[in-house]
Amino acid sequence: EVQLVESGGVVVQPGGSLRLSCAASGFNFDDYAMEWVRQAPAKGLEWVSLINYDGGSTYYTDSVKGRFTISRDNKRNSLYLQMNSLRPEDTALYYCAKDNSVGAIDYWGQGTLVTVSS
Amino acid sequence: DIVMTQSPDSLAVSLGERATISCKSSRSVLYRPNNKNYLAWYQQISGQPPKLLIYGASTRESGVPDRFSGSGSGTDFTLTISSLQAEDVAVYYCHQYYTSPRTFGQGTRVEIK
Repeated sequence: EVQLVESGGVVVQPGGSLRLSCAASGFNFDDYAMEWVRQAPAKGLEWVSLINYDGGSTYYTDSVKGRFTISRDNKRNSLYLQMNSLRPEDTALYYCAKDNSVGAIDYWGQGTLVTVSS
Repeated sequence: DIVMTQSPDSLAVSLGERATISCKSSRSVLYRPNNKNYLAWYQQISGQPPKLLIYGASTRESGVPDRFSGSGSGTDFTLTISSLQAEDVAVYYCHQYYTSPRTFGQGTRVEIK
């Protein structure tokens, strides 16, 4: 059974940093691209970032470029999101997500809540 | 960026009736070399993460009831729930994975009339 478990969400001040983690199990982690998607309170889904199967390619939405870094450790079956220079508008539930073989997200974690507030 | 626009924003349908949601992309998400549309549909029930219903515009994910179907190609897509059940009350999102940045529609809330 595929499981994605996010951690690291906390309350942080504007300008602060945070690293989110996602522990994956139940599938061959190093075969699939992984993504981060966020959802602000009572809002829709917003795609954040993607990393390919071996970490060689990464992609970001414009609003986080230069501030967020996605990475993975295939030996530890883990995905990460380093978040710097955080802004109030980064406040959201952050989901870790797995791609299927054709690039669609087929599994989601339960999410970890990041709150950026003074 | 490809903008995904869903309509309507919300709809109320009687139990057992058909629900239809439209999704339009600002550019084609059809990859002509393999003739595949890089378009997925997700269902998000309140308090839960999204769930994949349809990918490739019309391929139903394993375990998804056959009352859910997807159609369309290029820039115009439709999600149809043929006979609405109580457990289908949710917000539905279309999503293009054709190119980065990947993008979602704004969501359509489906309720019981």
